[in-house]
Amino acid sequence: DGGITQSPKYLFRKEGQNVTLSCEQNLNHDAMYWYRQDPGQGLRLIYYSQIVNDFQKGDIAEGYSVSREKKESFPLTVTSAQKNPTAFYLCASSTNRGANYGYTFGSGTRLTVV
Amino acid sequence: GENVEQHPSTLSVQEGDSAVIKCTYSDSASNYFPWYKQELGKGPQLIIDIRSNVGEKKDQRIAVTLNKTAKHFSLHITETQPEDSAVYFCAAWVSGGSYIPTFGRGTSLIVHP
Repeated sequence: DGGITQSPKYLFRKEGQNVTLSCEQNLNHDAMYWYRQDPGQGLRLIYYSQIVNDFQKGDIAEGYSVSREKKESFPLTVTSAQKNPTAFYLCASSTNRGANYGYTFGSGTRLTVV
Repeated sequence: GENVEQHPSTLSVQEGDSAVIKCTYSDSASNYFPWYKQELGKGPQLIIDIRSNVGEKKDQRIAVTLNKTAKHFSLHITETQPEDSAVYFCAAWVSGGSYIPTFGRGTSLIVHP
């Protein structure tokens, strides 16, 4: 079955440490996205990529970095510059071709600073 | 850009009652309107969507209505059950345009047994 896989489900980060969240999709979707979700809050866009080797900043990109070397993969690195990284991170992918557009989310990664 | 407002932020109902969540959007070019259900600790799941050439769509206990003139769309859940308790997000999107949908801030639906 096609879908989006995020790993790990839970991640703990020490102060000053970089961590990378994985996102893989086998839906053949062109675009991929990273969102941050805080308790009681909506979805805030961190980065998105419409094609391989290209990505754009979203609303809250500071302290985060991404890469898109393969169509299927869009990893997110939370750097030490992100001062408040504890949150639930969601990856999504989409297609926007003709009538077959759709937006699919992964199951999320909960990042906690310890 | 597009702006989506979602109301109410919290909705509490008794099991068996109906629940209605409303969203308004600002960009008349938006033509695709999905609804997502997010259970605690999980990612949002698409539950129903509607395109701008349709006024209403139903799927068992769930329905979505769209009023393009007024630029609003609503999610209707009938005969609510405790397992309907979740956060619901609406979104508006321009097909063939930006790849970025605009999401509402979410509605926390609580169904009391």
